Amino acid sequence: AQRVTQPEKLLSVFKGAPVELKCNYSYSGSPELFWYVQYSRQRLQLLLRHISRESIKGFTADLNKGETSFHLKKPFAQEEDSAMYYCALGDPYNFNKFYFGSGTKLNVKP
Amino acid sequence: NAGVTQTPKFRILKIGQSMTLQCAQDMNHNYMYWYRQDPGMGLKLIYYSVGAGITDKGEVPNGYNVSRSTTEDFPLRLELAAPSQTSVYFCATFGSRDLHFGDGTRLSIL
Repeated sequence: AQRVTQPEKLLSVFKGAPVELKCNYSYSGSPELFWYVQYSRQRLQLLLRHISRESIKGFTADLNKGETSFHLKKPFAQEEDSAMYYCALGDPYNFNKFYFGSGTKLNVKP
Repeated sequence: NAGVTQTPKFRILKIGQSMTLQCAQDMNHNYMYWYRQDPGMGLKLIYYSVGAGITDKGEVPNGYNVSRSTTEDFPLRLELAAPSQTSVYFCATFGSRDLHFGDGTRLSIL
């Protein structure tokens, strides 16, 4: 079974502090991992995906197959980063289904 | 391009009433999904479709029905609304290797 775990429901940090949103997964194969973000009153949108190895809005995420993790990091949080973040897993050979974590609400305080 | 369009944005139903949540896309994507988002629970897959005429159940299909007569449209039907179906409903498509979401429908059953 595919499962995505985000252990923190809420993460509060001060502006300028480093941020790490945790995501662990269980999957029998090589999944595709994604981070989606939902800003207040906006639709869910893709933040980044592991296959692109990109940095978006200063966020990065590295897939660690040994620890089955895909943590999202940013060295210096900004107030506009406050949002709901979802880690998601997809089967690269069969995108019939995606699996989402329960989400982490990031609150960046001034 | 409008992307994924959901209507209505808000709706209040009485127990036992029925309604259809509309979802339309203009991206010519084959894969479409319906999710519900409950507070603190993340997104749960209700139904999905891999193309016109093909639908299948997700994690939480009970109380819902779908149809996919065209590539563009993927309506979600509630036949006998129950309080447990109070949620925010998201329609999504899959294309360019990620999910594209609509704005959501906030549904309350009273």
